[in-house]
Amino acid sequence: QSALTQPPSASGSPGQSVSISCTGTSSDVGSYNYVSWYQQYPDKAPKLIIYEVTKRPSGVPDRFSGSKSGNTASLTVSGLQVEDEADYYCGSYAGSLHWVFGGGTKLTVL
Amino acid sequence: QVQVVESGGGVVQPGRSLRLSCAVSGVTARNDAIDWVRQSPAKGLEWVAFMSIDGGTTSYADSVKGRFTISKDNRKNTVYLQMISLRSEDTAVYYCARGRNYGMDVWGQGTTVTVSS
Repeated sequence: QSALTQPPSASGSPGQSVSISCTGTSSDVGSYNYVSWYQQYPDKAPKLIIYEVTKRPSGVPDRFSGSKSGNTASLTVSGLQVEDEADYYCGSYAGSLHWVFGGGTKLTVL
Repeated sequence: QVQVVESGGGVVQPGRSLRLSCAVSGVTARNDAIDWVRQSPAKGLEWVAFMSIDGGTTSYADSVKGRFTISKDNRKNTVYLQMISLRSEDTAVYYCARGRNYGMDVWGQGTTVTVSS
């Protein structure tokens, strides 16, 4: 199972919006609405911020939103804040009780 | 509020074995699961293994199949990851996480495994 493809970096200024893409295949992202996104600060565990493509767990700001088209999912962070600077990973169900993650994107708030 | 806490990491020589533990506390739902996910600087996050909360269903990533075994002790509310024939590429921080709605919503702090001679 190959990893999902994410850009290694993304950036934006406070108040701006930034989107991070996550490209998979017709065997994972394209086949299931089970894409999730995780935020990770240095030396901390990942935190779930989006699940089932568009849903936010309780407590996650609505500045974070998810979408999917074909084999590509996207995370959009609107109204960027300094505390959004972190690494972001996508994950997808890949069938047969297997999961796959992306390589991660480092988001810099300029 | 569910919590998971990993333990058991350490430094081990190639070819040797190690067992990780994941203590689960709090109430879980029937469709929940426990996953092991590892993270190394070279590979980022990598899903390793899955077990349904009742322990009846398991699955493994191809990279560890046949070498890693996930199991559960219901009395201790603990999930284990038995790792044998360890390789240098197994070096990583290992997290256990609760699987719910096909995502992983509760993560432990991780335990570090270093495979080195």
